[in-house]
Amino acid sequence: GNSVTQMEGPVTLSEEAFLTINCTYTATGYPSLFWYVQYPGEGLQLLLKATKADDKGSNKGFEATYRKETTSFHLEKGSVQVSDSAVYFCALHSGGSNYKLTFGKGTLLTVNP
Amino acid sequence: EAGVAQSPRYKIIEKRQSVAFWCNPISGHATLYWYQQILGQGPKLLIQFQNNGVVDDSQLPKDRFSAERLKGVDSTLKIQPAKLEDSAVYLCASSESTGGKTEAFFGQGTRLTVV
Repeated sequence: GNSVTQMEGPVTLSEEAFLTINCTYTATGYPSLFWYVQYPGEGLQLLLKATKADDKGSNKGFEATYRKETTSFHLEKGSVQVSDSAVYFCALHSGGSNYKLTFGKGTLLTVNP
Repeated sequence: EAGVAQSPRYKIIEKRQSVAFWCNPISGHATLYWYQQILGQGPKLLIQFQNNGVVDDSQLPKDRFSAERLKGVDSTLKIQPAKLEDSAVYLCASSESTGGKTEAFFGQGTRLTVV
């Protein structure tokens, strides 16, 4: 079945540091890949997505590239801010009419001033 | 645009009691989902509705969980009787359609504690 494996957290960085959160997946077919973010006290929000191999999703300075050869979708940001502190979830949708997102366990990011 | 509304935000009940959660999706969204998020894990899909019909309930513990979406708009999720392991955040989400390129919008969730 489908699965998503994320880098274990928590991750603690200083402001302006470089961020990488690793994500690898197992899926049949050609899945779409997503990063969701959950800020404290809020619901999940879509951060970025990529729907086919070699696509790069980007939003708010975050980027992730769909690498089919390595089945990966690592999240990166060049310079994190305190406001980026949140839980980040990698997820996939394996296609078809059933929008059944498979999520990773989440990675807690804390950015200190 | 109003988001997905859920209530209550928090609920504490004793085991073997019953509980119900309510969700109001974004207006016009045909697809509604209920996810269970246990602490330290990613959300897991419990049930998916397309209008008022069930598309997928393969991971719903049907001996104690039930859900309905009358008139294809609001939805309720019920647990009866609750167990300790049901302690989790229950997330409702909605989307315009079911395709993989469609974004799902999530509510803030209901945090259930079973004692």
